[in-house]
Amino acid sequence: QKEVEQNSGPLSVPEGAIASLNCTYSDRGSQSFFWYRQYSGKSPELIMFIYSNGDKEDGRFTAQLNKASQYVSLLIRDSQPSDSATYLCAVNGSWGKLQFGAGTQVVVTP
Amino acid sequence: EAQVTQNPRYLITVTGKKLTVTCSQNMNHEYMSWYRQDPGLGLRQIYYSMNVEVTDKGDVPEGYKVSRKEKRNFPLILESPSPNQTSLYFCASSLSRGEQFFGPGTRLTVL
Repeated sequence: QKEVEQNSGPLSVPEGAIASLNCTYSDRGSQSFFWYRQYSGKSPELIMFIYSNGDKEDGRFTAQLNKASQYVSLLIRDSQPSDSATYLCAVNGSWGKLQFGAGTQVVVTP
Repeated sequence: EAQVTQNPRYLITVTGKKLTVTCSQNMNHEYMSWYRQDPGLGLRQIYYSMNVEVTDKGDVPEGYKVSRKEKRNFPLILESPSPNQTSLYFCASSLSRGEQFFGPGTRLTVL
C-alpha cells in the first residue's frame, strides 16, 4: 500500500465547474498536508497547505482535511483552462518525512 | 529573486560516466532535498539535508551521493550512472519539511 494515494485521472472538468481532488494517506500520525500544482514540463509549486481538521480557503481553492478518515481533498471552484495541470498531494508524516502522491491530472475543457 | 537553480537542465550521458547535478538556493533555507520523478511513481525523495554537513537517505538513495558543505548548495552525484537512473530530477529547498520550493528540474538520460 502506498503511503499517499491519489486517483491518477485524468479528471475532466467543464470550464466554470468545481474540480474535486482526493488524497488518502496511511500514516495516522501525519501532521501537515500540502497541495502542489505541476504544469507539464515544469516544477511543482505549492498552492495550499493545511494543518488542522476542516476547511481552508484561498481564492478559488479550498483544502479539506479529515484526520480521522485520513483524507485530504482539494476543491477548485470556477475551474479555468489555466487550472489544467497535475495536482500532487504531499503529507508530512509522523517521522517528519514528506511523502508525495503520484498526482491527479486535471483537464479543464472549454 | 528567490529561487532554486539547477544545472544542467538537460543531460545525456553514457553508463558509468560520473556526473554531478548542481543545486543552489538563495533563500537561506536550511532544508534541501533531491527528488526523482518517474511516470506513475510520482516524486520520490533521494536524499535530504537538514543543515550544513547533515544529510540523510530518502526513499531511493541507491546509486546517488550528496554533500552539503555550504548552506546554499546541495549537489547530487551519480558515481556510475545506469540506465535505470534516467529520470527527471528536482532539487528543493524549504524552511521546514513541507513547504518546498522546487528548482526547474534536470532531465537526465543515461544510455
